[in-house]
Amino acid sequence: DAGVIQSPRHEVTEMGQEVTLRCKPISGHNSLFWYRQTMMRGLELLIYFNNNVPIDDSGMPEDRFSAKMPNASFSTLKIQPSEPRDSAVYFCASSLGGGARGYTFGSGTRLTVV
Amino acid sequence: GENVEQHPSTLSVQEGDSAVIKCTYSDSASNYFPWYKQELGKRPQLIIDIRSNVGEKKDQRIAVTLNKTAKHFSLHITETQPEDSAVYFCPSNFGNEKLTFGTGTRLTIIP
Repeated sequence: DAGVIQSPRHEVTEMGQEVTLRCKPISGHNSLFWYRQTMMRGLELLIYFNNNVPIDDSGMPEDRFSAKMPNASFSTLKIQPSEPRDSAVYFCASSLGGGARGYTFGSGTRLTVV
Repeated sequence: GENVEQHPSTLSVQEGDSAVIKCTYSDSASNYFPWYKQELGKRPQLIIDIRSNVGEKKDQRIAVTLNKTAKHFSLHITETQPEDSAVYFCPSNFGNEKLTFGTGTRLTIIP
């Protein structure tokens, strides 16, 4: 099992540009989570899906952020337009059974907006 | 929803000594208590978890204890080694749907 796969590993973009982060969960896992990590705010939950359906997006900071899960093996997190304060490490995680089972995290995408 | 308080926020321990991190929760219905470890520059990883019908669980040098009456659970690391240096999280478990993590405890092992 290759684990949770995220791409790209690093992204540097200019302010105002669109950024798309990608995630492939572990096959068979039915829950997918997007987190953002900064020194000041720690690891924040942005949105999560159960069986490809968005359940809770209350952590999405602004309308500039959107996430989709078109099928069980793929999800995207999009920021449009990006701003310097969006600079962070974005993690995707998947699990079988929501929060009552262990999460497996991807390696993360380090986003820098200049 | 569940609220979990973790302390200390930072902890320095001499190599070979023990380290203890404690988390206090508010929802008496909570039944799943995981611990995650995140080494510098890496992803968070589940290292041990416990369910409410168990009081203690061990895995080599790490153990988790649960006190349901006092509503707290703790991570114990014995014979600490440099590779134990990391950030440790005890995330809140909301209705078994999602985990919320916060800033964790930064553990530094002093050689």
